[in-house]
Amino acid sequence: AQTVTQSQPEMSVQEAETVTLSCTYDTSESDYYLFWYKQPPSRQMILVIRQEAYKQQNATENRFSVNFQKAAKSFSLKISDSQLGDAAMYFCAYRGWDSNYQLIWGAGTKLIIKP
Amino acid sequence: DGGITQSPKYLFRKEGQNVTLSCEQNLNHDAMYWYRQDPGQGLRLIYYSQIVNDFQKGDIAEGYSVSREKKESFPLTVTSAQKNPTAFYLCASSPGPTSRQETQYFGPGTRLLVL
Repeated sequence: AQTVTQSQPEMSVQEAETVTLSCTYDTSESDYYLFWYKQPPSRQMILVIRQEAYKQQNATENRFSVNFQKAAKSFSLKISDSQLGDAAMYFCAYRGWDSNYQLIWGAGTKLIIKP
Repeated sequence: DGGITQSPKYLFRKEGQNVTLSCEQNLNHDAMYWYRQDPGQGLRLIYYSQIVNDFQKGDIAEGYSVSREKKESFPLTVTSAQKNPTAFYLCASSPGPTSRQETQYFGPGTRLLVL
């Protein structure tokens, strides 16, 4: 069965600095999707970025980018120029084809932004 | 505006009472999901539906029931058999299991409290 691990329960970063959140996963599939979601204090889950495993190029969305290492099964999220509004829980999620299309979730990383 | 709505925002349940959480989407998505989130925890899948009139149990379906009579609607009933229903409930939808754009989008959530 697939698993997703986020080893950092909490991270903090100074405003305007860069921070990287870690995510590793375990799978035997070759075709899958990886996601980072953000959950701010409002608790609505917001999609941050998405990576398709068959694409070698790392996904980028404005200040958010990923470092996707397929062989190492690693999918880290880099946030550049951190802003106070980035403070939230960040969840990594995996979606394969053998998991009946369900998302497999990590436990989350709480990101604190220091002004 | 396209999106997912959940109501109510807060819901109070008395002992032995069944309550129903509403989830509606106008994204024309085939698949819909219900998740439960406990404080400081990640998401756990309760039920999901990939097509109208069909739904499947997730990891923690006991004490819950759903229906999918319309594509836009996927209500969740928390029955009296669910002994610890206090949690945050998130509804999500996605285009469908065969879509290459299979990304889940979330509603704002419902917080359920037991009186």
